[in-house]
Amino acid sequence: GAGVSQSPSNKVTEKGKDVELRCDPISGHTALYWYRQSLGQGLEFLIYFQGNSAPDKSGLPSDRFSAERTGGSVSTLTIQRTQQEDSAVYLCASSPRGSGRGGTGYEQYFGPGTRLTVT
Amino acid sequence: GESVGLHLPTLSVQEGDNSIINCAYSNSASDYFIWYKQESGKGPQFIIDIRSNMDKRQGQRVTVLLNKTVKHLSLQIAATQPGDSAVYFCAENMSAGGSYIPTFGRGTSLIVHP
Repeated sequence: GAGVSQSPSNKVTEKGKDVELRCDPISGHTALYWYRQSLGQGLEFLIYFQGNSAPDKSGLPSDRFSAERTGGSVSTLTIQRTQQEDSAVYLCASSPRGSGRGGTGYEQYFGPGTRLTVT
Repeated sequence: GESVGLHLPTLSVQEGDNSIINCAYSNSASDYFIWYKQESGKGPQFIIDIRSNMDKRQGQRVTVLLNKTVKHLSLQIAATQPGDSAVYFCAENMSAGGSYIPTFGRGTSLIVHP
């Protein structure tokens, strides 16, 4: 079946511009996560959506970052007034937690990421 | 061995050798652990998991060992192949707290020489 998809795969933007990154999770997965990964680094948690519950935004680095998840499916991560330090790969993952579709609910299925470069 | 600064720890092995990748986790209350493999330009991919009521679990060519006493996790890859070259991450989860937000380790780069 289809995995997690993200778009665009690459985004180059000028400092100060806003960007939107899109994530299409696996159908039926109730949990969705956004992470940021800088070159040669680990995964930095940004935000977590679970069903219709309020998202856990505890990882967002500043108020320039926000995310939405419409209809419990597609999610958009928005970065306003981008800065050079925002340059990274932004990864989205979904999980079957609570969906009744098997699995433990902890394993995550990652998309290929969006490579953001702020010039 | 370990590197400092911005570089990931790196393990270099010859094709056909066995590889052991180590991970120290932080939370003694964590009860579920996952290993992920991340190839260049791709997102992490699930390899194998283990619950805290186990100390060993085997998959295809991979074995995960858990030592809760010292909060240590390892991933063993048998007969390592060039296709195993990637960055490997461990992740810990604490189900008792109801949190489904895992904590990821820093990652180890595995380089397999043909």
